[in-house]
Amino acid sequence: KAGVTQTPRYLIKTRGQQVTLSCSPISGHRSVSWYQQTPGQGLQFLFEYFSETQRNKGNFPGRFSGRQFSNSRSEMNVSTLELGDSALYLCASSLEGQHSGNTIYFGEGSWLTVV
Amino acid sequence: AQSVTQLDSQVPVFEEAPVELRCNYSSSVSVYLFWYVQYPNQGLQLLLKYLSGSTLVKGINGFEAEFNKSQTSFHLRKPSVHISDTAEYFCAVSDSIAAGNKLTFGGGTRVLVKP
Repeated sequence: KAGVTQTPRYLIKTRGQQVTLSCSPISGHRSVSWYQQTPGQGLQFLFEYFSETQRNKGNFPGRFSGRQFSNSRSEMNVSTLELGDSALYLCASSLEGQHSGNTIYFGEGSWLTVV
Repeated sequence: AQSVTQLDSQVPVFEEAPVELRCNYSSSVSVYLFWYVQYPNQGLQLLLKYLSGSTLVKGINGFEAEFNKSQTSFHLRKPSVHISDTAEYFCAVSDSIAAGNKLTFGGGTRVLVKP
């Protein structure tokens, strides 16, 4: 079956602009989470959505937001882009589960460069 | 809160030699443990995970890891590496009690396999 699909794969934005990234989870997966990967900070958890509700949130400013649709597809938005937002943004999906421990499958990521 | 420390940022190793990647974690609650691999310009792929039971966990591509609760470690090993094992490896933990899927990652270990 198809894996986690992220679009776009690469994009360049200017400081102050906003960006929206999209993620289609594996069919049947209802949990979608987002991570930011940078050389300096490594992999950091942004947020997780389950059944259209944010279930977990990382320590990022309010400029970072997300949402999940009824078909489990998710989008994340970053407003007022800063140079430091340049990163690989990874989406991951997993089956629902009351507790973590489910295998989490990652997409190939969206490379965002802010200039 | 949890934290993960990967003690080696880079590990050079010759082809067909064994390799061990070290991972230590700290947490106030019991955790699930994971190892992921990231090949260049790709997302993360799960190598193995420990949820409960036997402390020796076998994964894909000949990798295995041992959970040591007293030392709060989850070291990854492979008895004989191949050139194709050149990649970055991430250790991660998740809270086994809280709902949801949220991973805390270590800083990564870059493995370079030399011929």
